[in-house]
Amino acid sequence: QVQLVESGGGVVQPGRSLRLSCAASGFIFSNYAMHWVRQAPGKGLEWVALISHDGTIKNYGGSLKGRFAISRDTSKNTLYLQMNSLRPEDSALYYCARARGTYSPGILYWGRGTLVAVSS
Amino acid sequence: NFMLTQPHSVSDSPGKTVTISCTRSSGNIASNYVQWFQQRPGSPPTTVIYEDNQRPSGVPDRFSGSIVSSSNSASLTISGLKTEDEADYYCQSYDSDGHVFGTGTKVTVL
Repeated sequence: QVQLVESGGGVVQPGRSLRLSCAASGFIFSNYAMHWVRQAPGKGLEWVALISHDGTIKNYGGSLKGRFAISRDTSKNTLYLQMNSLRPEDSALYYCARARGTYSPGILYWGRGTLVAVSS
Repeated sequence: NFMLTQPHSVSDSPGKTVTISCTRSSGNIASNYVQWFQQRPGSPPTTVIYEDNQRPSGVPDRFSGSIVSSSNSASLTISGLKTEDEADYYCQSYDSDGHVFGTGTKVTVL
């Protein structure tokens, strides 16, 4: 079955960087677009980024482009989110999610998330 | 980019039917698929509807999705309401600029 396991979260000081990982299994990783979604404590879902199945197309939410970078390594079946210049408002639970299909970007599967806390 | 607006909360008794709307602020709601997610407290979201009206395996047919073009909105209907349906529900759609989540609706089973 589809499994998405996030890691790399933790407590980080403002202005520092963090890289999140998402290990995918149970499906052919290179066939699917992938997303990062975040949720601040007590708040709603916020879309962070999307990468196409082949890594050629990358989209970012709001003003995140320039600070955040999504990437994927097909040889490792792993999705990444590089987060730079972190701010307290970036504190959230970060979910990895798989799209429905190669060219159908709607989310179908979710991981359990990894928690990021930006604090001095 | 566009916004997706949902009612803050809906509630009804077990066995009843509730409908949650998701109104797109700009652009045609029918131009891009809408997904719906359920999130119970302390748990990650799960997908209950994808591509407007498709149910993932394991989701009961009490959940249904539709597009209401006249109001540029999507709807999630939960029939035969059960206590286990009490959760937050979010819609999601996209355009060429990216993806957007709805504001979220809390469903309470009275």
